[in-house]
Amino acid sequence: ETGVTQSPTHLIKTRGQQVTLRCSSQSGHNTVSWYQQALGQGPQFIFQYYREEENGRGNFPPRFSGLQFPNYSSELNVNALELDDSALYLCASSLSGGRASDTQYFGPGTRLTVL
Amino acid sequence: TQLLEQSPQFLSIQEGENLTVYCNSSSVFSSLQWYRQEPGEGPVLLVTVVTGGEVKKLKRLTFQFGDARKDSSLHITAAQTGDTGLYLCAGAESNYQLIWGAGTKLIIKP
Repeated sequence: ETGVTQSPTHLIKTRGQQVTLRCSSQSGHNTVSWYQQALGQGPQFIFQYYREEENGRGNFPPRFSGLQFPNYSSELNVNALELDDSALYLCASSLSGGRASDTQYFGPGTRLTVL
Repeated sequence: TQLLEQSPQFLSIQEGENLTVYCNSSSVFSSLQWYRQEPGEGPVLLVTVVTGGEVKKLKRLTFQFGDARKDSSLHITAAQTGDTGLYLCAGAESNYQLIWGAGTKLIIKP
């Protein structure tokens, strides 16, 4: 069974640029959630995708967008990057529609640095 | 917006000692989870507690959910160096969204 994978591992961008982060969910999982974890903080929920539809969204601006593909892999896109977007971006997959009490399996994250 | 406060923020103790870390909120959660995160990795789920007053044990780790489902504690008995990590609690705010604490960074010295 393959775990959750994310790419790239690290990324450096400059303010105003756009970035796409990728996540492959665990085999058989149909739900992917994305989180932003700033240094020294807990993760903050960005949004969740269930069967290719956005299933819920946290308090993030529209320049944070996403996609889920038929194989349940997912992308997180961030436009017009700001310095405060520097963080570890985590994706997590789960099996059954993404209830908060379900077990989520996290990937290792993508470390994004915005200069 | 519900907030989860974790204390202490940082704890460094000797191997073999006992410790307790706390997760507190003024709001009620339908469930609460504890995770451990190591550097360069994503969080790993340790336990989910659902019922007020519930106690769950995972080897040397004991998790308790407060009677009012507003707070939780994690107690580690005879800590080992392998317990080192960032311990995060997360409460279910809605069907799909977790609210996370900032974590307790635990260092167990040999």
